[in-house]
Amino acid sequence: DSGVTQTPKHLITATGQRVTLRCSPRSGDLSVYWYQQSLDQGLQFLIHYYNGEERAKGNILERFSAQQFPDLHSELNLSSLELGDSALYFCASSGTYGQGGADTQYFGPGTRLTVL
Amino acid sequence: GEDVEQSLFLSVREGDSSVINCTYTDSSSTYLYWYKQEPGAGLQLLTYIFSNMDMKQDQRLTVLLNKKDKHLSLRIADTQTGDSAIYFCAPRGDSGAGSYQLTFGKGTKLSVIP
Repeated sequence: DSGVTQTPKHLITATGQRVTLRCSPRSGDLSVYWYQQSLDQGLQFLIHYYNGEERAKGNILERFSAQQFPDLHSELNLSSLELGDSALYFCASSGTYGQGGADTQYFGPGTRLTVL
Repeated sequence: GEDVEQSLFLSVREGDSSVINCTYTDSSSTYLYWYKQEPGAGLQLLTYIFSNMDMKQDQRLTVLLNKKDKHLSLRIADTQTGDSAIYFCAPRGDSGAGSYQLTFGKGTKLSVIP
């Protein structure tokens, strides 16, 4: 158990809908990273938040957005869903920011999104 | 951006050693990680190596880094059936803003034959 929690575990929805995925980092970790794992694209970095602020964006679609709240949990919002958005969405947390060191990322169990 | 290549499949007999290889393109990667993913599960951190090291040993795991060739390998000694999983190599990037996103290869599926 990494200490990172994600809800829900599974989500089934229809095209055009909007969903929210939730991530709670390990106790004390200020960074949350979001990744998408799909069959064709593999594992891709989406976005990074540190202590409530966006720090970096990767291959994140404009239909997707994220935020990190004062209690450090993060939510990934996916809207106007398409069939191709079906994937596993992971969040990872780490404890350091810009301080060097390994800044190891610990991953949650993921949310499996199925768009029908 | 960073590109990471791994062979997709590896099959070994129980008790043998497994060697999973990875090549990457960004020579500025300071940390390189190995993660394990079992079916239906998340990514479990196995080990990592800092770029100024050539080798790191951690119980049954040995990581070798050839920085000149941008080649990373993970050796698992005495491979067990419980080691069957997908293994990902993930160099750490640096956006310059203190953000350290990981770039993943497609993963190597290790099958251990009893």
